[in-house]
Order: sequence, then structure tokens, then C-alpha cells
Amino acid sequence: AQSVTQLDSQVPVFEEAPVELRCNYSSSVSVYLFWYVQYPNQGLQLLLKYLSGSTLVKGINGFEAEFNKSQTSFHLRKPSVHISDTAEYFCAVTGTYKYIFGTGTRLKVLA
Amino acid sequence: DTAVSQTPKYLVTQMGNDKSIKCEQNLGHDTMYWYKQDSKKFLKIMFSYNNKELIINETVPNRFSPKSPDKAHLNLHINSLELGDSAVYFCASSQEGEAYNEQFFGPGTRLTVL
Repeated sequence: AQSVTQLDSQVPVFEEAPVELRCNYSSSVSVYLFWYVQYPNQGLQLLLKYLSGSTLVKGINGFEAEFNKSQTSFHLRKPSVHISDTAEYFCAVTGTYKYIFGTGTRLKVLA
Repeated sequence: DTAVSQTPKYLVTQMGNDKSIKCEQNLGHDTMYWYKQDSKKFLKIMFSYNNKELIINETVPNRFSPKSPDKAHLNLHINSLELGDSAVYFCASSQEGEAYNEQFFGPGTRLTVL
């Protein structure tokens, strides 16, 4: 069975500081991994995805993530956050006809 | 143009009532989904449809009945609403159901059962 663990439920960080949101997965089949962002009172928007190839994946809004097969991780990073990055971030591992989401990490950027 | 749209955005109703949420996608996708997000923000798949056919039903109570009149629409009807049904419901679509396909999400419908 596939599963995703997001280790941090909340991450406060000051503006312009770097941030890492952690995601670990469990899967017995080929892995496809996604990060989505949910701004307050909105739907989910794709940040980036790993399907195959280079383990460093770049996404929108300056985010990137690194797929690490040996550590079964797909951590999300940004070198310098903005107030506007305050949102809920979801890691997902995909199966056929569904996503399995982690419990989400609330990123709060402080002025 | 909104890619995946849902109506209504907010729905407040009494226990025991029956209600429907509509979803439409204009992306030409074959596969559509319903997800439920609870008060702790946890997102869980409810149903998946491919070309109007039910593919996944994740142990959802029979009170929930999805209907897909065509590939572009997937509606969710809920009978005998209960307090525990209060949540945000998201519709999504993808080109196909394969695991590598990106899913596009609607803005959500916040259902409150009183």
C-alpha cells in the first residue's frame, strides 16, 4: 500500500528565510510524487512533480524538491520565502485513478 | 475560463436533508474525481470516474451517490445529511487515470450540516 507522511503540521518561518517542508513516502511500485499548494479558501494548485529522470525538480514560485529513493523522501524547499507563500502544502503519491495525500504542512511566513 | 468549476461554493443545510454538488471541467479530460477535506485539512479520495464509469469507490457510505451524465460532468448527491458530512468537497480531473497524470482541482464546496 502507498502512503505519505508529512512530518511537520506547521512551519513558521520569517520572510526571506529558507524553508524545507518534509515528505516521506511508502510505495511498493513505481513512484510518482507531487507537491500541491492550497491558499486560504482556494483549491489545490500544482507546485511540482517527480515522474522520472533528474531527482531535482523545479516548480513554480521558486520552489524545488529533491527525490531521494534511498531515504524515500521528497522534501520541498525554497531559498527565500515571501509573505505570499503562507498556505497549506500537500505532498502526494499517486496510484492509478487516485492521489494519496499527506496530512499537509501549514507554512506561515512571518514579517 | 475556469478549468474545473463547482457549484455551489458554500452549502449550509440541516441534518437529514438531501443536497447535490455539481462539477464541470472544460479541459477535455477523461477522468474525474471527488475528494473530501475534513476540518483538519486531511484530503481523501471518495470516487473516481473514467469516461462516465465508476472506477473507485473508497468505502464511502451509500448516502453518497456520484453521477456522471457525460465526461465533462461529475455531480455528487448526498442523501440524509449527517453532521459528520461537514467538510470541503473538491472535484478534480485528469487527462487519464494513470498515476503520472496531473490532477486539476476545482475551488471546493464548503458543506456545513447543522
